[in-house]
Amino acid sequence: AQSVTQLGSHVSVSEGALVLLRCNYSSSVPPYLFWYVQYPNQGLQLLLKYTSAATLVKGINGFEAEFKKSETSFHLTKPSAHMSDAAEYFCAVSEGRYGNKLVFGAGTILRVKS
Amino acid sequence: DAMVIQNPRYQVTQFGKPVTLSCSQTLNHNVMYWYQQKSSQAPKLLFHYYDKDFNNEADTPDNFQSRRPNTSFCFLDIRSPGLGDAAMYLCATSREAGAIDTQYFGPGTRLTVL
Repeated sequence: AQSVTQLGSHVSVSEGALVLLRCNYSSSVPPYLFWYVQYPNQGLQLLLKYTSAATLVKGINGFEAEFKKSETSFHLTKPSAHMSDAAEYFCAVSEGRYGNKLVFGAGTILRVKS
Repeated sequence: DAMVIQNPRYQVTQFGKPVTLSCSQTLNHNVMYWYQQKSSQAPKLLFHYYDKDFNNEADTPDNFQSRRPNTSFCFLDIRSPGLGDAAMYLCATSREAGAIDTQYFGPGTRLTVL
């Protein structure tokens, strides 16, 4: 079974600073990988996804992630944090008979300080 | 705007009293999913429908059932809610069932069991 590990349940950055949220995956086959964001009391919104095309994936709101097979990582970055980025972020890998089952990591809460 | 709608947003039920959560979509997607997200945990897939084909996860308790009477609507029935079933329940849809198909999430229903 596939699995995802997110390092750091809480990350705090200053406004304007680099955001780095870490995700490592375990997969026996080339994975599809996703980052979702969840604001309080809301559903999940897709930020970006890796589907075995370009290893550097650009998403919405200025986020991007790089797939590194040698490190089994898919870390999420944003050059300059904004207050509105404060939310919980989930990394996920797909598995299942059709490949549409999302297995989520435990999540990382991002706090942005003014 | 095309979207995924969940009603109600907040649901309170009593221990052992059956409860039904509702999800509707205007995206005309073939696949609908139900996820359970307990406090401070990652979302966990309960089951999904590909059109009328029901796909249950192996570890989903029998207490949880689902119905999809038509393309637009999907219901989650909890036959005898226990205190451990208190959670956010997220509905999602995707056009097809492949890993590459983005899942679009509703805002969730927060279930409280007294």
